[in-house]
Amino acid sequence: DTAVSQTPKYLVTQMGNDKSIKCEQNLGHDTMYWYKQDSKKFLKIMFSYNNKELIINETVPNRFSPKSPDKAHLNLHINSLELGDSAVYFCASTSRGEQYFGPGTRLTVT
Amino acid sequence: LAKTTQPISMDSYEGQEVNITCSHNNIATNDYITWYQQFPSQGPRFIIQGYKTKVTNEVASLFIPADRKSSTLSLPRVSLSDTAVYYCLVGDIKNRDDKIIFGKGTRLHILP
Repeated sequence: DTAVSQTPKYLVTQMGNDKSIKCEQNLGHDTMYWYKQDSKKFLKIMFSYNNKELIINETVPNRFSPKSPDKAHLNLHINSLELGDSAVYFCASTSRGEQYFGPGTRLTVT
Repeated sequence: LAKTTQPISMDSYEGQEVNITCSHNNIATNDYITWYQQFPSQGPRFIIQGYKTKVTNEVASLFIPADRKSSTLSLPRVSLSDTAVYYCLVGDIKNRDDKIIFGKGTRLHILP
């Protein structure tokens, strides 16, 4: 069973479009994250949620809106996509400091 | 936030022990040290975590001196499949508001 899953794995879209990435974890963790890894491979935290409550919002443009319908899901919606949004987006959940990462979603904006 | 400094890259050979050192001079009292491994096109994977002295699991050992200003990840008898990026993180794992920051990591390349 996959602990943290993301869909889709690849996403190619044009500038200006709106897209969503879904994340689900079956580990029973209370805390979930979204990270962005750019072409230089820097892994930067974007958001964290604890039991559906937003905890960390790291100066991310408000075109990015996370949504947590329940503590097992943390989805990421992105409006008006820009070229600079191209990256790999990772979802993660945590228990006692050990983070479990999803396989990533490679977003390409053309 | 405790900042970490690691070597950008390292090369080693199959069968050798590899030690990767991380500096975290401003580590706080409540901070733990955690190491992750990332293969290309995959998410990071937890390797080991510790607070002080030595921690060992089936994959690696983590050595932390008394002043906790650095730590060393030790990988015994590496193989080609250990080629990856290794990240050292420092943070208060019991504080959900603590932003645990991934640094640039160490790119480990294992040669045959």
